[in-house]
Amino acid sequence: GQQVMQIPQYQHVQEGEDFTTYCNSSTTLSNIQWYKQRPGGHPVFLIQLVKSGEVKKQKRLTFQFGEAKKNSSLHITATQTTDVGTYFCAGDSWGKLQFGAGTQVVVTP
Amino acid sequence: NAGVTQTPKFQVLKTGQSMTLQCAQDMNHNSMYWYRQDPGMGLRLIYYSASEGTTDKGEVPNGYNVSRLNKREFSLRLESAAPSQTSVYFCAISRGLAGNQPQHFGDGTRLSIL
Repeated sequence: GQQVMQIPQYQHVQEGEDFTTYCNSSTTLSNIQWYKQRPGGHPVFLIQLVKSGEVKKQKRLTFQFGEAKKNSSLHITATQTTDVGTYFCAGDSWGKLQFGAGTQVVVTP
Repeated sequence: NAGVTQTPKFQVLKTGQSMTLQCAQDMNHNSMYWYRQDPGMGLRLIYYSASEGTTDKGEVPNGYNVSRLNKREFSLRLESAAPSQTSVYFCAISRGLAGNQPQHFGDGTRLSIL
């Protein structure tokens, strides 16, 4: 079946630095969603990408969907302490979402 | 998080005990889901309900049962709790059963089984 993998599992970032987290699927996706979960909280929907090569921005967050629709990335510029949390990607699997294991982001002031 | 309400927020059980986790929504969405979240494993789908009156197994259904009581409510039951079911359980909803629908999550139930 479809598998969604995320790397890295952990990301330690100095405040102000940039970083990227990656999501890879074993099969072609019709779309991909990204969620953020703050420590002790619940996942919150961030964005959905549908088109091949699509790029969307939310303030300091840039999301990209690969040309082959099998991978995606999330790039955060000028990381802030408010960016702390776990970022999940999720791909469509027969009408249901298959979540990756997430990238846990720790920000050092 | 008024859209999706989960009860209880915390629960400790002994092995072999049973309990029901409750989920209610006020967003009039058709589809509801139960996930479990374990460290390093992301969210795994236990059961889902595409619409009122239907339920289906997800990735990890063993040891669980569900009931879609009406459009608003979707409950998850553990008949005989086991330590392996210690986890954080999230209920989620979406407008329809489609991978292109954003999901809205409840605050979760933190369940420990001793």
